[in-house]
Amino acid sequence: ETGVTQTPRHLVMGMTNKKSLKCEQHLGHNAMYWYKQSAKKPLELMFVYSLEERVENNSVPSRFSPECPNSSHLFLHLHTLQPEDSALYLCASSQDRGYNSPLHFGNGTRLTVT
Amino acid sequence: GQNIDQPTEMTATEGAIVQINCTYQTSGFNGLFWYQQHAGEAPTFLSYNVLDGLEEKGRFSSFLSRSKGYSYLLLKELQMKDSASYLCAVRDNAGNMLTFGGGTRLMVKP
Repeated sequence: ETGVTQTPRHLVMGMTNKKSLKCEQHLGHNAMYWYKQSAKKPLELMFVYSLEERVENNSVPSRFSPECPNSSHLFLHLHTLQPEDSALYLCASSQDRGYNSPLHFGNGTRLTVT
Repeated sequence: GQNIDQPTEMTATEGAIVQINCTYQTSGFNGLFWYQQHAGEAPTFLSYNVLDGLEEKGRFSSFLSRSKGYSYLLLKELQMKDSASYLCAVRDNAGNMLTFGGGTRLMVKP
């Protein structure tokens, strides 16, 4: 399997639930990212991990908690979410955070909070 | 702060040429990327510009003017499969973060 794989593709959860999104990259990259994509809004950077160390936390509410156990895997743990958190959550990876390294995205998890 | 502007929607005819513009105002500049995103799919990398001028890749070309804070993506010989959103993204030089514009939804009609 190649590229960036995200699971699940779709998730419906209540505001009191706890769930996790999973991302796996098979590209040998050492930087991984979580982005949020809402309707009619630009992609918003949430978290960046470089060599498994978090290097960016873009003022994201604490109800979102990332975890990067190794350079190939990235998780986003969700708890007590709000309906406005419903969006497409995209994982991406790149080789370093070098200036010319493009991001490679997964297909995303479509999250609906009820 | 970062500000990236693109038209929200464009429509073009199959076989024609379309130019999608992107203007940016960012704190530092370390390159500009274009991505294509079909509905329900991942954004995929199209092009990267860091120096002024035109980069050509088959039917797609991307242009950059750093002094004007301006880029465009040029799509030639449009095909129906080119109907997608096109995202402009700028990398700053303070932490190398990538900031995206809102995307331009292109509809190609027969």
